[in-house]
Amino acid sequence: ETGVTQTPRHLVMGMTNKKSLKCEQHLGHNAMYWYKQSAKKPLELMFVYNFKEQTENNSVPSRFSPECPNSSHLFLHLHTLQPEDSALYLCASSQDGWGNYGYTFGSGTRLTVV
Amino acid sequence: GENVEQHPSTLSVQEGDSAVIKCTYSDSASNYFPWYKQELGKGPQLIIDIRSNVGEKKDQRIAVTLNKTAKHFSLHITETQPEDSAVYFCAAGGAQKLVFGQGTRLTINP
Repeated sequence: ETGVTQTPRHLVMGMTNKKSLKCEQHLGHNAMYWYKQSAKKPLELMFVYNFKEQTENNSVPSRFSPECPNSSHLFLHLHTLQPEDSALYLCASSQDGWGNYGYTFGSGTRLTVV
Repeated sequence: GENVEQHPSTLSVQEGDSAVIKCTYSDSASNYFPWYKQELGKGPQLIIDIRSNVGEKKDQRIAVTLNKTAKHFSLHITETQPEDSAVYFCAAGGAQKLVFGQGTRLTINP
């Protein structure tokens, strides 16, 4: 384990379902990130939270809704997804949100939308 | 904003040979350059990083070089082994969040 835990590891959901992805880190990091990984775009940044404040939304559709209740937890709420949203969703954390330190990634949630 | 280009996208080498992956960046204010290795079914893991105040860093069989003037940096893997097969990502940061390259799929042939 890397210190960043993502659950669930695999998720299959219908287009009308609502589900949530969870990410947890106890590394004392202050920044957390959601990335989407697909064959077309290897590491596509979705959201950045720096000291619990959302500092970046990379033009992500509103069917993806992030939540950061504290600096150790990050959620991605999913609803009314499309088949093209099927991908590996990676969470990462770092000491700060300004790229001064390396990121620690979780193992990801493999999402399949049917 | 920062833009990171990574080449090649795929690389195949014989076991025991060396592998080199190159990246260029656009923002001269970037000063932190990590490299990540992603194995099948796992998230990317940091394997080595370099800051702009040094030109080279080594850790056993892997090394990274940085040319600030030309704004490029490279990953060198010597005496490659089957377990080196993975996708490798470079990144640049320090002035803003990390920006990642598109990745290189490295295959080590026995």
